[in-house]
Amino acid sequence: GAGVSQTPSNKVTEKGKYVELRCDPISGHTALYWYRQSLGQGPEFLIYFQGTGAADDSGLPNDRFFAVRPEGSVSTLKIQRTERGDSAVYLCASSLRGERGGSTDTQYFGPGTRLTVL
Amino acid sequence: AQSVTQLDSQVPVFEEAPVELRCNYSSSVSVYLFWYVQYPNQGLQLLLKYLSGSTLVKGINGFEAEFNKSQTSFHLRKPSVHISDTAEYFCAVSLYSTLTFGKGTMLLVSP
Repeated sequence: GAGVSQTPSNKVTEKGKYVELRCDPISGHTALYWYRQSLGQGPEFLIYFQGTGAADDSGLPNDRFFAVRPEGSVSTLKIQRTERGDSAVYLCASSLRGERGGSTDTQYFGPGTRLTVL
Repeated sequence: AQSVTQLDSQVPVFEEAPVELRCNYSSSVSVYLFWYVQYPNQGLQLLLKYLSGSTLVKGINGFEAEFNKSQTSFHLRKPSVHISDTAEYFCAVSLYSTLTFGKGTMLLVSP
C-alpha cells in the first residue's frame, strides 16, 4: 500500500514569504506527526494530531508556525513570515492510533520536504 | 523530560566487520526505545523497537539491540555489515506519543 507522502519535495522561498507543506498519511492512520530536521541534527518534534485535533503542539517554535488537519487525514503545516533559520527538512509521520501515556505504535515517515529560505 | 545521546557522529567500518552504534538515554520514567535508519534520499524506516520483555531485540536486516536499564543504554549491533548498510542511524525514545531523537550516527561501510 501507499506510504506517507509529502509535497512538495523541495521548496525554495524568500525571507518573509508564506509557505504551506502538505502531508498525506497512510490511509486509516489516526495519528499524524510533524518533525523538523536541521542539518546534522536528529528530527525534532513539532506537533502531533489525534484525528482532527492537535493533541500536542508544544514543539512549535513560535506563532509563525501553524498546522491543521481538518478532516482527520491530510495535514498542512503553515509557516508565516519565513526566516532563514526555518530552512530544514520537514518530516511527516503517521501511526495507527497513538496514545498518551506511552506509545508502542510504529511511526511511518514520509520522505520529507526540504525547505530553503533565501 | 527525556533525551538521547548518540556518542559517535560517524562510524567507519569495513565490509563484513561487526559494528556497534551506541545510544544512551535519560528519563525519569520508563520509556520505549527505537532505532530508525535513514538511507540516502529516503525517509526514516524503523529497524527495531524495545517495548518490554526480553532485553535483546532483533530487527530487520540482521540488526539487534540490547536494552540495559542500569546503564540506560540501547546499543545497536550487527555481526557482519554490508555496503548496503551505509546510512544514518537514529536512536529515539518515546514517553508519550512523540519521539525524541538523538543526533544520529552515520555508518560508513567500505569494501
